[in-house]
Amino acid sequence: DAGVIQSPRHEVTEMGQEVTLRCKPISGHNSLFWYRQTMMRGLELLIYFNNNVPIDDSGMPEDRFSAKMPNASFSTLKIQPSEPRDSAVYFCASTRYPNPQPQHFGDGTRLSIL
Amino acid sequence: DQQVKQNSPSLSVQEGRISILNCDYTNSMFDYFLWYKKYPAEGPTFLISISSIKDKNEDGRFTVFLNKSAKHLSLHIVPSQPGDSAVYFCAASGIGNLIFGKGTKLSVKP
Repeated sequence: DAGVIQSPRHEVTEMGQEVTLRCKPISGHNSLFWYRQTMMRGLELLIYFNNNVPIDDSGMPEDRFSAKMPNASFSTLKIQPSEPRDSAVYFCASTRYPNPQPQHFGDGTRLSIL
Repeated sequence: DQQVKQNSPSLSVQEGRISILNCDYTNSMFDYFLWYKKYPAEGPTFLISISSIKDKNEDGRFTVFLNKSAKHLSLHIVPSQPGDSAVYFCAASGIGNLIFGKGTKLSVKP
């Protein structure tokens, strides 16, 4: 079975550029999560969607960050403009809602802003 | 303020012995707890979970214990194998999202 697919795996770009991270959740999953992992803060939730609707975006650090889920099989996380402190590994995860079930993670996008 | 804490950043164990990873939480509303394992350059992989109505859940070499009164859970790996070397994350669920600890790096030496 295909797991959560994230692209790109690595992204290196210059400060000020727009960055778009992509995620395809597991088929049949209706809940999708975006996380950011850094050494200082660990794994922190940025935003999550249930049935394509954003439920909690309180973890989104600034207005420079935005996320969309136009359909059940695709989500994007956009940073515009990007800054060096945005450098981190970004993970997408999905699960079935509403029963408590484990989230399944993609392999992440390692983002470096120069 | 951290709601889920893993106070040991690292743990080293001999192959064949028991590994015990610990996790503390502060929110009594959490009702579902999970352990994830993470290898470098990969995403976290679900390992085992436990509901707050239970105090123990076992799956092969992995057992999770939950002590609600102490707000503490632990993961036991017996026997430990070199392939178990990874970072282990504890997570707790409240209203749909997960709160993660910062992880414990386990090294199992042959």
